[in-house]
Amino acid sequence: SQKIEQNSEALNIQEGKTATLTCNYTNYSPAYLQWYRQDPGRGPVFLLLIRENEKEKRKERLKVTFDTTLKQSLFHITASQPADSATYLCALDLGYALNFGKGTSLLVTP
Amino acid sequence: NAGVTQTPKFQVLKTGQSMTLQCAQDMNHEYMSWYRQDPGMGLRLIHYSVGAGITDQGEVPNGYNVSRSTTEDFPLRLLSAAPSQTSVYFCASSYRGFNAKNIQYFGAGTRLSVL
Repeated sequence: SQKIEQNSEALNIQEGKTATLTCNYTNYSPAYLQWYRQDPGRGPVFLLLIRENEKEKRKERLKVTFDTTLKQSLFHITASQPADSATYLCALDLGYALNFGKGTSLLVTP
Repeated sequence: NAGVTQTPKFQVLKTGQSMTLQCAQDMNHEYMSWYRQDPGMGLRLIHYSVGAGITDQGEVPNGYNVSRSTTEDFPLRLLSAAPSQTSVYFCASSYRGFNAKNIQYFGAGTRLSVL
């Protein structure tokens, strides 16, 4: 069956550092991969999408890489801020909906 | 634009009761989905629809019914609530046009407790 795995442990980093979150998948050959942010008590919000033929995608302080050989995506937040504290979800397309990872909780402390 | 609107925001049910969670979107999206989110389990797909009159089961459909009579609305019905259905429910919609890539727009969620 298709599986998506994200770091289950929360990631705690200091303000100003780079946060790196990992998403691994198996039994899947996605054409693209998506990242979402979820704040407590709210629905997920789309952040970035990367295609299989793209090695890297950037949006402001966010960077996503996609390695289809390793079956892995890395999500980076540079110059992190306390406002970046949230849960980050990766997701793969099922064609009619998305298959989400369980998410990684990020806490940025001043 | 309101986006995706879910009602109610909170609900407490007794075991065996039925209820309908409402979901409406004003973006003219073809695709709509219902997910449930439980601690440690992530988002799991319950039911989805690719257009008015067309619905299908997701990963965890048991105990739930859906219908899609209009493009805008996609209600989720709990037939006979059970404590295992205590969860946060999210409705999402997406545009499936050329190059749209199925980006999901989520509602704020309905927090359901079944006693």
